[in-house]
Amino acid sequence: GAVVSQHPSRVICKSGTSVKIECRSLDFQATTMFWYRQFPKQSLMLMATSNEGSKATYEQGVEKDKFLINHASLTLSTLTVTSAHPEDSSFYICSARDPQSNSPLHFGNGTRLTVT
Amino acid sequence: GENVEQHPSTLSVQEGDSAVIKCTYSDSASNYFPWYKQELGKRPQLIIDIRSNVGEKKDQRIAVTLNKTAKHFSLHITETQPEDSAVYFCAASIYNQGGKLIFGQGTELSVKP
Repeated sequence: GAVVSQHPSRVICKSGTSVKIECRSLDFQATTMFWYRQFPKQSLMLMATSNEGSKATYEQGVEKDKFLINHASLTLSTLTVTSAHPEDSSFYICSARDPQSNSPLHFGNGTRLTVT
Repeated sequence: GENVEQHPSTLSVQEGDSAVIKCTYSDSASNYFPWYKQELGKRPQLIIDIRSNVGEKKDQRIAVTLNKTAKHFSLHITETQPEDSAVYFCAASIYNQGGKLIFGQGTELSVKP
């Protein structure tokens, strides 16, 4: 079963509004989570590393003021797309790994964001 | 930072044939190399992974080889079946960094019956 839960799975919003996406680790504590974005027929591009209790680390070219990341607990990271525009329409997906085990990375099911 | 290059971008094979996808990476510190299969609109599914202390790993019809010196690794699928059709991604990471993966560009594999 899924060990990383992501919600919502789909969201449609109007330009200028903000959208929050949640990523939860269900049976382990994740001090670090990762947010990726995937445009149609393209690869997964790392946006940022979410660190519990501290600021996220953003990859080059990703606007930290537009993509707000909050990792306030060991099981929840949120990504808020602020002032969304049609070009932000994409598949957003989070991932995390249980640091206490030798398990591989777990991905959430992803969120399909459509900005109209 | 790490950069992963993947080839080919598309691959079409006949059912029963083998398929090979190749990736190169740039950061010699990378020590974990997973391969993912992604179907349309779904999350990537891990199909096999290899760590830098191993040169080859096999799981039924799927195998991965790693050449640390040349910084390249390959996915081999034998006896391909139509259900193998999907997009495949390679990735690289430094494992003890908690799972920060850098992905290749992806290969769209089509297996024709």
